[in-house]
Amino acid sequence: EVQLVQSGAEVKKPGESLRISCKASGYNFPNLWIGWVRQVPGKGLEWMGIIYPGDSDTKYSPSFQGHVTISADTSIDTVYLQWSSLKASDTAMYYCARHASYLTDYWGQGTLVTVSS
Amino acid sequence: DIVMTQSPDSLAVSLGERATVNCKSSQSVLDSSINKNFLAWYQQKPGQPPKLLFYWASTREFGVPDRFSGSGSGTDFTLTISSLQAEDVAVYYCQQYHKTPLTFGGGTKVEIK
Repeated sequence: EVQLVQSGAEVKKPGESLRISCKASGYNFPNLWIGWVRQVPGKGLEWMGIIYPGDSDTKYSPSFQGHVTISADTSIDTVYLQWSSLKASDTAMYYCARHASYLTDYWGQGTLVTVSS
Repeated sequence: DIVMTQSPDSLAVSLGERATVNCKSSQSVLDSSINKNFLAWYQQKPGQPPKLLFYWASTREFGVPDRFSGSGSGTDFTLTISSLQAEDVAVYYCQQYHKTPLTFGGGTKVEIK
């Protein structure tokens, strides 16, 4: 059974750094794209980017390029989403999602990130 | 980027009646070499992650009730619920997975009238 288990909710201040995680199980992690989708409270879904863990090839949405970093650790089948300097506008639910040939087929439970002074 | 436009933003349908959600892409998501439309539909209920309903525009994911159907090709797509049930209250999103950046429609909220 495919499972994506994300790290817990975070409360941070503007300017702080953060890394959230998503541990995958039930499939061959290195061989499928996996990435992140943002959902601001009450709003729609925004695709952020994906990584191919086998060779770390990464594709970002232009809307998020340069503001976040997606990485993966194949030794523990985990993908990360990282910010070096958070903004209040980063407050959102973040979902990790497996992509089978770009089709987003399995989703994690979500990690709520709140950025507030 | 491929822009996905859904309509309507919301709709209210009586139990047992038909609900129709439309999705239009700014460019074709059909790969004519394999005759596949790279279009997916998702259902999101409050407090839950999205759930895949359809891929290749009309292939139903395992376990999705057959009152749900997906259709369309090229740039115009439709999700139909033939007989709305209470458990179908949700927001529905289309997404193209033809080219990165992958893009979602703005969502359509389906409610009971």
